[in-house]
Amino acid sequence: EPEVTQTPSHQVTQMGQEVILRCVPISNHLYFYWYRQILGQKVEFLVSFYNNEISEKSEIFDDQFSVERPDGSNFTLKIRSTKLEDSAMYFCATTPGLAVPGEQYFGPGTRLTVT
Amino acid sequence: RKEVEQDPGPFNVPEGATVAFNCTYSNSASQSFFWYRQDCRKEPKLLMSVYSSGNEDGRFTAQLNRASQYISLLIRDSKLSDSATYLCVANGMDSSYKLIFGSGTRLLVRP
Repeated sequence: EPEVTQTPSHQVTQMGQEVILRCVPISNHLYFYWYRQILGQKVEFLVSFYNNEISEKSEIFDDQFSVERPDGSNFTLKIRSTKLEDSAMYFCATTPGLAVPGEQYFGPGTRLTVT
Repeated sequence: RKEVEQDPGPFNVPEGATVAFNCTYSNSASQSFFWYRQDCRKEPKLLMSVYSSGNEDGRFTAQLNRASQYISLLIRDSKLSDSATYLCVANGMDSSYKLIFGSGTRLLVRP
């Protein structure tokens, strides 16, 4: 069964450093999302991406964050200057279309630890 | 007010028990609802969609009451493997169809 993959599984970085989290969506999927989950809290939407552009972003997704799909396969989330409060699990999710938009397929996540 | 609210639990039940989870949502314009399951430190996985007519998948039954803005999940004949956190989820009413998650209800099934 096709699945969403994410790398790395765990990233430790120092405050102020840049990190890039990578996701490989399921091949025929068109809509891509990043969510995050701070330990012990709920899953929160960060950004959605369709047709090579952001379709919506949350208040969390400030100027420190960016997304791109550089090569038609990878979908990346960049945090330019990490803060302690960016420590969380970051999940990539994809969906083939909007017929059943809630059926999103999540990757295993990247655990980001900012020290 | 939280967009999607759930009782955090935990619900601690013996194997074979029937357990019900409830969820309320605040945005009456929300169209689609789902239950996702999340195991500890893992990704959310879709358990089932929720329809107004009610839908059943094996031991799981989901129900939506739009008038009360209330969603439920019933698990019959609980198994040890059902132990997880159950996330009530609504689709955001915008072009991106983002998911709006509740905080989850934790279920522990004991032998």
